[in-house]
Order: sequence, then C-alpha cells, then structure tokens
Amino acid sequence: EAGVTQFPSHSVIEKGQTVTLRCDPISGHDNLYWYRRVMGKEIKFLLHFVKESKQDESGMPNNRFLAERTGGTYSTLKVQPAELEDSGVYFCASSQDQRPLRSYEQYFGPGTRLTVT
Amino acid sequence: AQSVTQLGSHVSVSEGALVLLRCNYSSSVPPYLFWYVQYPNQGLQLLLKYTSAATLVKGINGFEAEFKKSETSFHLTKPSAHMSDAAEYFCAVIPAYSGAGSYQLTFGKGTKLSVIP
Repeated sequence: EAGVTQFPSHSVIEKGQTVTLRCDPISGHDNLYWYRRVMGKEIKFLLHFVKESKQDESGMPNNRFLAERTGGTYSTLKVQPAELEDSGVYFCASSQDQRPLRSYEQYFGPGTRLTVT
Repeated sequence: AQSVTQLGSHVSVSEGALVLLRCNYSSSVPPYLFWYVQYPNQGLQLLLKYTSAATLVKGINGFEAEFKKSETSFHLTKPSAHMSDAAEYFCAVIPAYSGAGSYQLTFGKGTKLSVIP
C-alpha cells in the first residue's frame, strides 16, 4: 500500500510569487490534514478535510492560504502571494477513521520544504 | 488550549545507554497521547499511542511510554539506544473530547536524539 505522498519535496520561490503544494493521501482515507513547521517551532495544525469538505480550518494563518480537495482525493495548498514568514515544512497526513474510540492513527507524508526568499 | 512540553530540544546518549525523552501535557482531562519519530528526509512515523487503555504502552523499535495522570506526563523510554535511533522525536496530543469534530494533533517542539558510538 502506498503511503502519503507530497509534491514537490522542496520549493524555493521569491516573495510575492505563488506556490502550490500537493498531497496524495492513502487510498480510501477520508480524512486529510495539513500541518506546518516553521523553523525552530512546533508542528502546527492548518486544516482538516473530511472527503472534500473542510471540517476545521482554524489553523490557517491568513487568506493568502487556500486549500482544496476536489473529489475527496488529493489536496492542494496554495500560497498566494508568498511571504518570508511562510517558509517552513508543510506536512500532510491522512487517516481512515478519526474517532478516538477506535484505533486511530494519522499517517504522515515526508513534507514539502518551502523556502521564500 | 492544549499544550505539550518536551524538555530538552537535544538529547545525546551513548550507544547501549537508556533513552529517556520527556513529555508533559496541559489538560484537566487526560487526552490521547502519541509519540512520533522523524528520521532524516522522511515523514513522521507513529511510535506508540495512549488511548486510555493500559498506562504502559509499548511501541515499535523497543520504545515504550508510561502515562502518568498525576504528573501529566508521557515520557518515552528505551532501555538500550542503538545508532539507528538517532532522529527527532515528537510528543503530540489529541483532546479526548473535541467539540469541533476535528481531531487535530497538537505537537511539542520536538527532541533531537543523538546516539554516540
């Protein structure tokens, strides 16, 4: 079974440009999460999809970030326009069932390292 | 809001020595607790989880953690360190009850473990 994949693995862009990150969850996983780790800080939650719907987007930093999950499969996270403070590693995770009463695990992708110069 | 404290951003141990990575959480209601490991250039991998069953939890690669409610702790241990254990370790929590219906992980800042030959 393929794991969570993310593309690209690394992106270097200039301030003001646009970048789109992609995440392919494990097949059959309805839940998809985005997290971000800014250098020196903890990994922080950005948002959560259940299928194609946004369940919780309370962690999105501002309206320069737009996440989509059309068709409930892969997801994209667009940053437009990028700012210096957006640099960091963006992780995607997926899970089959999010209810804590059942066996629960989020499977993480390798992350996309975004550098804004 | 939940918070997770990992004591020590860097820990060094000799090969064969005990590994002890500390994690404390802040919550009046015991949350669900997780330890993840990130090896270089890889995604986060779940080591073990506590979901209100046994307080001593055994995970992969010989790691275990003990949930202590009185101390609000979930420290990670391994009796004998191996060179392959060198990685970054993250403690994370999910609240036992989520009003938003989104079981996002709240992470500590991570602890980098170095193993000295």
